Amino acid sequence: EPEVTQTPSHQVTQMGQEVILRCVPISNHLYFYWYRQILGQKVEFLVSFYNNEISEKSEIFDDQFSVERPDGSNFTLKIRSTKLEDSAMYFCASSVLASGTDTQYFGPGTRLTVL
Amino acid sequence: AQSVAQPEDQVNVAEGNPLTVKCTYSVSGNPYLFWYVQYPNRGLQFLLKYITGDNLVKGSYGFEAEFNKSQTSFHLKKPSALVSDSALYFCAVRDKDTNAGKSTFGDGTTLTVKP
Repeated sequence: EPEVTQTPSHQVTQMGQEVILRCVPISNHLYFYWYRQILGQKVEFLVSFYNNEISEKSEIFDDQFSVERPDGSNFTLKIRSTKLEDSAMYFCASSVLASGTDTQYFGPGTRLTVL
Repeated sequence: AQSVAQPEDQVNVAEGNPLTVKCTYSVSGNPYLFWYVQYPNRGLQFLLKYITGDNLVKGSYGFEAEFNKSQTSFHLKKPSALVSDSALYFCAVRDKDTNAGKSTFGDGTTLTVKP
């Protein structure tokens, strides 16, 4: 069964450094999402992306964050200057459609640790 | 605005007993409701969803959930729990009338099934 993959599984970085988290969505899916989960807390929506544009973003997704689909298969989340509070598990998800009925399939996550 | 409440942080049941994990929601329009399960160090796995029709929906691994519009609830159930069901369970909601597919998650409920 097709699945969403994410790399790396764990990223450790120093505060202020840039990180890029990578995702390969399911191949026939058109909508892509990033969520994050701070340890012990709920899963929070960051951003949704369709047709090379951001569809919706949360208040968490400030100017330090950006997303792109550089090559038609990868979907990346960049954090320009990481802060301690960016430490979290970041999940990529994809769906065929963006309608409320469509299931979002999640990747295994990247654990980001900012020191 | 949409929101989800999972009133129990922890649910403990004995193997073979029925289990219920509670979820209530709030949306401005009609809801689409989802349950996901998260095993340690893994991503979110889709269990089931309610879109329309029958209030009782059946999903993976013998789980089912009952949509109750008057009580704005979508409780997850299983007639006979297994030790392997022990995991973190998340309820999520999407507003039918919004675009972009943003999901709002509850805080999660840790289910522990004891032999």
